[in-house]
Amino acid sequence: SAVISQKPSRDICQRGTSLTIQCQVDSQVTMMFWYRQQPGQSLTLIATANQGSEATYESGFVIDKFPISRPNLTFSTLTVSNMSPEDSSIYLCSVESGREGEKLFFGSGTQLSVL
Amino acid sequence: QKEVEQNSGPLSVPEGAIASLNCTYSDRGSQSFFWYRQYSGKSPELIMFIYSNGDKEDGRFTAQLNKASQYVSLLIRDSQPSDSATYLCAVKEAGTASKLTFGTGTRLQVTL
Repeated sequence: SAVISQKPSRDICQRGTSLTIQCQVDSQVTMMFWYRQQPGQSLTLIATANQGSEATYESGFVIDKFPISRPNLTFSTLTVSNMSPEDSSIYLCSVESGREGEKLFFGSGTQLSVL
Repeated sequence: QKEVEQNSGPLSVPEGAIASLNCTYSDRGSQSFFWYRQYSGKSPELIMFIYSNGDKEDGRFTAQLNKASQYVSLLIRDSQPSDSATYLCAVKEAGTASKLTFGTGTRLQVTL
């Protein structure tokens, strides 16, 4: 499986500010995925990031709130913009691996608290 | 809306016993099924995957799939305190590359 490094590991932010989360993979991957895990809940896919094209957002998530960059095949960023306490969550970067790219592996996550 | 359902628990089993974790899913066309283990404050870790009906064994873990009943389970034999974690079931949608739907997870507690 790929080694996925994510930073920051945690942050406490003020309402109205923005935070950019970075994800670095040790091998080239076509797609990178950003998930959110709110307290006590399961994982929800925010968007899929392909290199060289616009990210594809899931229902309920928009680019203005969660802009994503994918400058190359090993790196992506997710920005949480104009934060509110409802954005307090764990944000996870993930990539596919396996013979047919069928398995999903996660980075270490970013624990975000918004005051 | 495609759903993956799990009992939230906690499921409490004594050390050395078999833990049985269950998951049902709504999309009959689902093709791939995964179990993730998540320790508190950590990210999910893939521990088992299964694609065909029947059982798949890996060490102390056995995944069981019954597509007719839309049911997948995870058995953990000889449960250890280190197995105490939340176990997430995930189902891959048919026809959609790499899109997983996760259940809310079952919290397992292995007691001494």
